[in-house]
Order: sequence, then structure tokens, then C-alpha cells
Amino acid sequence: AQTVTQSQPEMSVQEAETVTLSCTYDTSESDYYLFWYKQPPSRQMILVIRQEAYKQQNATENRFSVNFQKAAKSFSLKISDSQLGDAAMYFCAYRSRGGSQGNLIFGKGTKLSVKP
Amino acid sequence: DTGVSQNPRHKITKRGQNVTFRCDPISEHNRLYWYRQTLGQGPEFLTYFQNEAQLEKSRLLSDRFSAERPKGSFSTLEIQRTEQGDSAMYLCASSREVSATQYFGPGTRLLVL
Repeated sequence: AQTVTQSQPEMSVQEAETVTLSCTYDTSESDYYLFWYKQPPSRQMILVIRQEAYKQQNATENRFSVNFQKAAKSFSLKISDSQLGDAAMYFCAYRSRGGSQGNLIFGKGTKLSVKP
Repeated sequence: DTGVSQNPRHKITKRGQNVTFRCDPISEHNRLYWYRQTLGQGPEFLTYFQNEAQLEKSRLLSDRFSAERPKGSFSTLEIQRTEQGDSAMYLCASSREVSATQYFGPGTRLLVL
């Protein structure tokens, strides 16, 4: 079974600075998707960034980028120029590419605080 | 897209009562997922639908839980004889197809007293 581990329960960053959130996963599959979702307090979960395992190029979405290391099974999220609105729980998630199920497997999350 | 909606947003009930939650997915999304999130944890998969067919249920979904998606549109999740351990956030997500991004609703927070 696949597992996702986020080893940082909480992180803090100064506004305008850069922060990196860590995620490792365990799988025997070679083809899959990885995601970072953001869950602001009392608000719904939204997708931050998505990475297909077969793509070597790291995904980037504006101030958000990932460092995908397939051999090491590592998938970290870098947030540049942090803003107050980035404060939230961040969840790393895995999804198999094959099969018909498609459910996400989540880590426990990292709570990010942004200091003004 | 108007987004995934869930009702009610909050539910307080007494142990032993039945509760029902509703999820309205993004229109034309044929996949609908239910997840449960407890405090300090990430969401955990409960079940999913492809159109009106419920295709898989996780071990977390005891026989007190039942989900339906009549006509392949909205879905309901019912919990019978609630227990305090059922207290959690129940999240619904939908996607256009199996490989597509899942969009989440705001969740229903259940508190069982």
C-alpha cells in the first residue's frame, strides 16, 4: 500500500521569504501523480500544484514550485515570496495512475504560519 | 463551474441518531469521492462513484455508513446510529474523469455528543 509522510507538523516563514515543505512517499508503482493541496482555516481544500511522475521537469505554478526526486521518493514544495494569504494547512497527496479507482492518499499535513 | 457544495456545513447530533449529508458536485463531473478528515490528520478515502455506480468502499466505511448517488448527480452520505468516533469533517470531491484533478467542497463538520 502507498503511504505519504509529511515530517514537519508546523512551519513558519517571514512574509516575502521562501519556505520549503517536505513530503516523502512510499510506492512500488512507477507511474503516479503527486499533489500539494492547501486548506486555509475553515475554508475548502484547493489544489496548489500537480506533478506527473513520468515527467522529469518539476512543476511550477507562479510562486509555487516542487522538487520532485523520483528515486528518493521525495516531493517538496517551495513557496517563494511568501504572502499572508499562504498561511494554511498544506497536504501532500499521492494518486495511482493505473487502475480505475483514483482516490487520493494524503499525508498528515504541515501547518504553515506567515509572519508579517 | 460553481464549485462543489456540501450541506449542511455543520451538524451536531446525539449519539445513536442518524445523520445525512449532501454533496453537489461540479456539473458534468462523473466522479464523486467521499473522504473523512479527523483532527490533525489528512483526509482518508471512504468511497467513490462513477456516475451513479458506487465502485469502491474503504474499510473505514462500516455498515453504519451508506452512500448513494441517484441519477449520477448529487450524492448523500448517511451515518446510522452515530458514535462519538464518527466526529470528523466529511469532505466531498468531484472530477471529470479518473485522471483529472479532484475539486473539493467545503466539508460538513460533524460533532457527535
